[in-house]
Amino acid sequence: QSALTQPASVSGSPGQSITISCTGAWSDVGRFGLVSWYQQHPGKAPKLIIYEASKRPSGVSHRFSGSKSGNTASLTISGLQADDGADYYCCSFAGSGSFVFGTGTEVTVL
Amino acid sequence: EVQLVESGGGLVQPGRSLRLSCAASGFTFDDFAMHWVRQAPGKGLEWVSGISWNSATVAYADSVKGRFTISRDNAKNSLYLQMSSLRTEDTALYYCAKDPQPMYSSGPDYWGQGTLVTVSS
Repeated sequence: QSALTQPASVSGSPGQSITISCTGAWSDVGRFGLVSWYQQHPGKAPKLIIYEASKRPSGVSHRFSGSKSGNTASLTISGLQADDGADYYCCSFAGSGSFVFGTGTEVTVL
Repeated sequence: EVQLVESGGGLVQPGRSLRLSCAASGFTFDDFAMHWVRQAPGKGLEWVSGISWNSATVAYADSVKGRFTISRDNAKNSLYLQMSSLRTEDTALYYCAKDPQPMYSSGPDYWGQGTLVTVSS
Protein backbone atom coordinates (compact mmCIF):
# COMPACT_ATOMS: atom_id res chain seq x y z
CA GLN A 1 0.00 0.00 0.00
CA SER A 2 2.45 2.67 -1.12
CA ALA A 3 1.08 6.18 -1.54
CA LEU A 4 0.45 7.33 -5.07
CA THR A 5 3.07 9.81 -6.29
CA GLN A 6 2.10 13.42 -6.94
CA PRO A 7 4.29 16.49 -7.47
CA ALA A 8 4.70 18.41 -4.22
CA SER A 9 3.72 21.71 -5.77
CA VAL A 10 2.41 23.20 -8.98
CA SER A 11 1.87 26.87 -9.73
CA GLY A 12 0.28 28.96 -12.45
CA SER A 13 -0.99 32.43 -13.22
CA PRO A 14 -4.67 33.31 -13.30
CA GLY A 15 -6.27 32.10 -16.52
CA GLN A 16 -3.63 29.50 -17.23
CA SER A 17 -4.06 25.72 -17.18
CA ILE A 18 -2.14 23.36 -14.93
CA THR A 19 -1.98 19.57 -14.75
CA ILE A 20 -1.29 17.44 -11.69
CA SER A 21 -0.12 13.87 -12.18
CA CYS A 22 -0.84 10.91 -9.92
CA THR A 23 1.34 7.87 -10.54
CA GLY A 24 0.50 4.50 -9.06
CA ALA A 25 0.95 0.91 -10.11
CA TRP A 26 -0.86 -1.73 -12.12
CA SER A 27 -2.30 -3.03 -8.82
CA ASP A 28 -4.24 0.18 -8.21
CA VAL A 29 -4.54 2.96 -10.81
CA GLY A 30 -3.70 0.78 -13.79
CA ARG A 31 -5.88 -2.23 -13.04
CA PHE A 32 -9.04 -0.61 -11.73
CA GLY A 33 -9.04 2.95 -13.07
CA LEU A 34 -11.16 3.95 -10.07
CA VAL A 35 -9.51 7.26 -9.25
CA SER A 36 -10.95 10.26 -7.45
CA TRP A 37 -9.54 13.73 -6.94
CA TYR A 38 -10.09 15.97 -3.93
CA GLN A 39 -9.55 19.65 -3.26
CA GLN A 40 -8.71 20.69 0.30
CA HIS A 41 -8.49 24.25 1.51
CA PRO A 42 -6.64 24.93 4.79
CA GLY A 43 -8.62 23.87 7.82
CA LYS A 44 -11.40 22.35 5.71
CA ALA A 45 -12.52 18.84 4.86
CA PRO A 46 -11.62 17.48 1.42
CA LYS A 47 -14.11 18.05 -1.41
CA LEU A 48 -14.64 15.57 -4.24
CA ILE A 49 -13.99 17.16 -7.64
CA ILE A 50 -13.45 14.14 -9.94
CA TYR A 51 -14.55 10.51 -9.59
CA GLU A 52 -14.02 7.40 -11.70
CA ALA A 53 -10.99 9.14 -13.22
CA SER A 54 -12.87 11.59 -15.42
CA LYS A 55 -16.39 12.24 -14.12
CA ARG A 56 -17.40 15.48 -12.44
CA PRO A 57 -19.92 15.58 -9.57
CA SER A 58 -22.79 17.96 -10.07
CA GLY A 59 -21.90 21.45 -8.95
CA VAL A 60 -18.18 21.12 -9.67
CA SER A 61 -16.81 23.60 -12.19
CA HIS A 62 -16.19 22.40 -15.76
CA ARG A 63 -12.71 23.88 -15.37
CA PHE A 64 -11.75 20.68 -13.56
CA SER A 65 -11.14 17.62 -15.72
CA GLY A 66 -9.55 14.24 -15.19
CA SER A 67 -7.98 11.52 -17.28
CA LYS A 68 -6.04 8.28 -16.93
CA SER A 69 -3.38 6.58 -19.00
CA GLY A 70 -1.77 3.38 -17.86
CA ASN A 71 -0.75 3.68 -14.22
CA THR A 72 -1.02 7.49 -14.15
CA ALA A 73 -4.07 9.66 -13.57
CA SER A 74 -4.10 13.39 -14.19
CA LEU A 75 -6.13 16.38 -13.04
CA THR A 76 -6.24 19.49 -15.20
CA ILE A 77 -7.47 22.84 -13.94
CA SER A 78 -8.14 25.28 -16.76
CA GLY A 79 -8.74 29.01 -16.44
CA LEU A 80 -6.94 29.06 -13.10
CA GLN A 81 -8.62 31.23 -10.45
CA ALA A 82 -7.43 32.51 -7.09
CA ASP A 83 -9.78 30.17 -5.21
CA ASP A 84 -8.15 27.17 -6.89
CA GLY A 85 -5.17 27.66 -4.60
CA ALA A 86 -5.42 24.60 -2.33
CA ASP A 87 -4.06 21.11 -1.77
CA TYR A 88 -5.13 18.40 -4.19
CA TYR A 89 -5.12 14.66 -3.56
CA CYS A 90 -5.78 11.70 -5.80
CA CYS A 91 -7.20 8.46 -4.44
CA SER A 92 -7.38 5.03 -6.06
CA PHE A 93 -9.22 1.81 -5.30
CA ALA A 94 -6.53 -0.83 -4.70
CA GLY A 95 -8.57 -4.01 -4.54
CA SER A 96 -10.07 -6.08 -1.70
CA GLY A 97 -11.86 -3.02 -0.37
CA SER A 98 -8.70 -0.99 0.17
CA PHE A 99 -7.81 2.47 -1.08
CA VAL A 100 -4.65 4.53 -1.37
CA PHE A 101 -4.23 8.30 -1.47
CA GLY A 102 -1.66 10.33 -3.30
CA THR A 103 1.08 12.33 -1.57
CA GLY A 104 -0.74 15.57 -2.26
CA THR A 105 0.00 18.63 -4.41
CA GLU A 106 -0.06 22.24 -3.27
CA VAL A 107 -1.40 24.48 -6.02
CA THR A 108 -0.32 28.12 -5.92
CA VAL A 109 -2.01 30.77 -8.03
CA LEU A 110 0.63 33.39 -8.77
CA GLU B 1 -28.20 17.36 2.94
CA VAL B 2 -25.58 14.76 3.80
CA GLN B 3 -24.17 15.27 7.28
CA LEU B 4 -21.41 13.27 8.95
CA VAL B 5 -20.51 14.20 12.52
CA GLU B 6 -17.53 12.54 14.17
CA SER B 7 -16.98 12.30 17.91
CA GLY B 8 -14.83 10.47 20.43
CA GLY B 9 -11.46 12.02 19.75
CA GLY B 10 -9.17 13.29 22.47
CA LEU B 11 -5.84 12.90 24.22
CA VAL B 12 -4.83 9.31 24.98
CA GLN B 13 -1.63 7.68 26.18
CA PRO B 14 0.35 5.31 23.96
CA GLY B 15 -0.88 1.73 24.22
CA ARG B 16 -4.39 2.74 25.27
CA SER B 17 -7.65 2.47 23.34
CA LEU B 18 -10.20 4.91 21.95
CA ARG B 19 -13.48 4.52 20.08
CA LEU B 20 -14.55 6.99 17.42
CA SER B 21 -18.15 7.40 16.31
CA CYS B 22 -19.73 8.99 13.27
CA ALA B 23 -23.41 9.98 13.17
CA ALA B 24 -24.81 10.07 9.64
CA SER B 25 -27.90 11.86 8.36
CA GLY B 26 -29.39 13.18 5.15
CA PHE B 27 -29.07 9.93 3.20
CA THR B 28 -30.06 6.27 3.45
CA PHE B 29 -27.13 5.08 5.54
CA ASP B 30 -27.45 1.35 4.84
CA ASP B 31 -27.26 1.91 1.08
CA PHE B 32 -23.61 2.95 1.12
CA ALA B 33 -20.15 1.83 2.12
CA MET B 34 -18.29 4.03 4.60
CA HIS B 35 -14.67 4.96 5.32
CA TRP B 36 -12.34 6.38 7.91
CA VAL B 37 -9.55 8.60 6.58
CA ARG B 38 -6.96 10.38 8.71
CA GLN B 39 -4.64 13.34 8.33
CA ALA B 40 -1.68 13.86 10.62
CA PRO B 41 -0.92 17.51 11.47
CA GLY B 42 0.55 19.20 8.42
CA LYS B 43 0.54 15.96 6.43
CA GLY B 44 -1.48 14.34 3.66
CA LEU B 45 -4.56 12.14 3.65
CA GLU B 46 -4.26 8.48 4.61
CA TRP B 47 -7.06 5.96 4.06
CA VAL B 48 -7.51 3.98 7.28
CA SER B 49 -10.43 1.59 6.86
CA GLY B 50 -13.60 0.88 4.91
CA ILE B 51 -16.77 -1.15 5.42
CA SER B 52 -19.42 -2.20 2.92
CA TRP B 53 -23.11 -1.43 3.34
CA ASN B 54 -23.86 -4.75 5.07
CA SER B 55 -20.55 -5.07 6.98
CA ALA B 56 -19.68 -8.16 4.92
CA THR B 57 -16.53 -6.58 3.54
CA VAL B 58 -14.09 -4.66 5.70
CA ALA B 59 -10.58 -3.53 4.86
CA TYR B 60 -7.71 -1.82 6.66
CA ALA B 61 -4.52 0.01 5.85
CA ASP B 62 -1.43 -2.02 6.72
CA SER B 63 -0.49 0.63 9.28
CA VAL B 64 -3.55 -0.14 11.44
CA LYS B 65 -4.32 -3.77 10.62
CA GLY B 66 -4.69 -5.83 13.78
CA ARG B 67 -5.09 -2.75 15.99
CA PHE B 68 -8.17 -0.97 14.59
CA THR B 69 -11.66 -2.38 14.03
CA ILE B 70 -14.31 -0.72 11.89
CA SER B 71 -18.00 -1.43 12.42
CA ARG B 72 -21.39 0.08 11.68
CA ASP B 73 -24.90 0.01 13.11
CA ASN B 74 -27.35 0.62 10.30
CA ALA B 75 -30.25 0.86 12.74
CA LYS B 76 -28.52 3.82 14.40
CA ASN B 77 -27.07 5.34 11.22
CA SER B 78 -23.67 5.18 12.85
CA LEU B 79 -20.11 4.23 11.94
CA TYR B 80 -17.43 3.33 14.47
CA LEU B 81 -13.68 2.89 14.69
CA GLN B 82 -12.30 1.01 17.68
CA MET B 83 -8.64 1.88 18.04
CA SER B 84 -6.35 -0.10 20.33
CA SER B 85 -2.61 -0.25 21.04
CA LEU B 86 -2.44 3.37 19.97
CA ARG B 87 0.91 4.78 18.90
CA THR B 88 2.17 8.35 18.69
CA GLU B 89 2.08 8.04 14.90
CA ASP B 90 -1.70 7.54 15.08
CA THR B 91 -2.05 11.21 16.06
CA ALA B 92 -4.26 12.75 13.40
CA LEU B 93 -7.58 14.29 12.48
CA TYR B 94 -9.88 11.36 11.73
CA TYR B 95 -12.52 11.89 9.06
CA CYS B 96 -15.65 9.83 8.55
CA ALA B 97 -16.50 9.64 4.85
CA LYS B 98 -19.33 8.23 2.77
CA ASP B 99 -18.81 6.12 -0.35
CA PRO B 100 -21.16 6.68 -3.32
CA GLN B 101 -21.66 2.90 -3.75
CA PRO B 102 -22.86 0.03 -1.50
CA MET B 103 -19.58 -1.78 -1.88
CA TYR B 104 -16.78 0.47 -3.05
CA SER B 105 -16.14 2.93 -5.85
CA SER B 106 -13.30 5.31 -6.63
CA GLY B 107 -13.37 6.91 -3.20
CA PRO B 108 -15.57 8.85 -0.77
CA ASP B 109 -17.95 11.55 -1.96
CA TYR B 110 -18.87 13.27 1.33
CA TRP B 111 -16.72 13.94 4.36
CA GLY B 112 -17.32 15.02 7.96
CA GLN B 113 -15.29 17.73 9.66
CA GLY B 114 -13.14 15.26 11.58
CA THR B 115 -12.29 14.47 15.19
CA LEU B 116 -8.78 14.97 16.53
CA VAL B 117 -6.93 12.09 18.16
CA THR B 118 -3.72 12.90 20.00
CA VAL B 119 -1.57 10.04 21.26
CA SER B 120 0.95 11.28 23.79
CA SER B 121 2.26 10.48 27.22
